Amino acid sequence: GAVVSQHPSRVICKSGTSVKIECRSLDFQATTMFWYRQFPKQSLMLMATSNEGSKATYEQGVEKDKFLINHASLTLSTLTVTSAHPEDSSFYICSARDRRQGRGEKLFFGSGTQLSVL
Amino acid sequence: SQQGEEDPQALSIQEGENATMNCSYKTSINNLQWYRQNSGRGLVHLILIRSNEREKHSGRLRVTLDTSKKSSSLLITASRAADTASYFCATESGTYKYIFGTGTRLKVLA
Repeated sequence: GAVVSQHPSRVICKSGTSVKIECRSLDFQATTMFWYRQFPKQSLMLMATSNEGSKATYEQGVEKDKFLINHASLTLSTLTVTSAHPEDSSFYICSARDRRQGRGEKLFFGSGTQLSVL
Repeated sequence: SQQGEEDPQALSIQEGENATMNCSYKTSINNLQWYRQNSGRGLVHLILIRSNEREKHSGRLRVTLDTSKKSSSLLITASRAADTASYFCATESGTYKYIFGTGTRLKVLA
């Protein structure tokens, strides 16, 4: 099956620093990658949709200058949380669509990144 | 919010029993999918049902879809302790965006 690698799995940082999270599709090319945020015992909230070679589309209420998304290739998307603050502490998950025929409807998820901002 | 609602929010059953969870959504859809999430991990795709389908099976999983009621159910038969996880429905409405439901936390007691 398709594999999505996300790292780091856990990061602790000081308030004011920036944190970069990587999401890679290991054995397929991802036309689209999605970034979600999840609070404890809650659902996934879509933050942005990342398309290779173009600007990300952010959901309403998500600050694009705060959460920088780069999708430079068909296998890599990055999310950078800039000037992180304690309220940014959360579980961030990426997912990717497989462009191969018949697999485009499923989402393949990374294992998530737990961000803790002190 | 376009987020779907799932019920129950939490479900605790004995091993061997069946578990049923329901999902309701708000807009017309192309397909509805169910995902499983173990604590602190990413999600794993379980099953997809298209808007023109009413029922689908995969192993111990049975999914139904009622587009007139904008609802779906996931049945896990003969549950096992390893089925303990959170289960989410996700709908796709033609925009290639996936909207996740609020989730059901299932606990299967050995």
